[in-house]
Amino acid sequence: AQSVAQPEDQVNVAEGNPLTVKCTYSVSGNPYLFWYVQYPNRGLQFLLKYITGDNLVKGSYGFEAEFNKSQTSFHLKKPSALVSDSALYFCAVSPGNYGGSQGNLIFGKGTKLSVKP
Amino acid sequence: EAGVVQSPRYKIIEKKQPVAFWCNPISGHNTLYWYLQNLGQGPELLIRYENEEAVDDSQLPKDRFSAERLKGVDSTLKIQPAELGDSAVYLCASSLVDSARFFGPGTRLTVL
Repeated sequence: AQSVAQPEDQVNVAEGNPLTVKCTYSVSGNPYLFWYVQYPNRGLQFLLKYITGDNLVKGSYGFEAEFNKSQTSFHLKKPSALVSDSALYFCAVSPGNYGGSQGNLIFGKGTKLSVKP
Repeated sequence: EAGVVQSPRYKIIEKKQPVAFWCNPISGHNTLYWYLQNLGQGPELLIRYENEEAVDDSQLPKDRFSAERLKGVDSTLKIQPAELGDSAVYLCASSLVDSARFFGPGTRLTVL
């Protein structure tokens, strides 16, 4: 069965420190991987995606994610966290060759990021 | 550029009543999705449209849920009759072919 796991319900970070939000996946083929962020009472906003190529993907608001095929992981990272980064983060995966609009996007349960001043 | 528009933002109804949600996708996006998001969970796909054709409705509970996208632009999702367990956020998203999905703010449904 295809699935996405976000092992941490919540991640707490001090402002200015680096942050990591973890994601592992289990899908067939070469997956397309995404990160979305959700602020309170707002829809999900696209952060970044990995399709192919360089394993380190850079996205919006200074976020980046590293694709690790051997560990089937796609962890979200940021070198220096801001209080305004506090939100709910979702990892999502689409089975290989259907990463765009055509494939079903499977979401993790989400990780709440809390950045304290 | 305007994003995905959804209305209403909030809806409170009693069980067994009907309810409808409306979505207007980003202009030019031919693919439209309806997702269900329960509290503490990630979104789950209900139905996907390519233009006016529903190409994936395998997760739509067809006994009470229906959707339409008659002209291949805006879409309506209906529940009739609503049950207590339908309380959730209903998200609409749109995309171009092979692009990331853009989500609307969602409709929060409460069934009493």
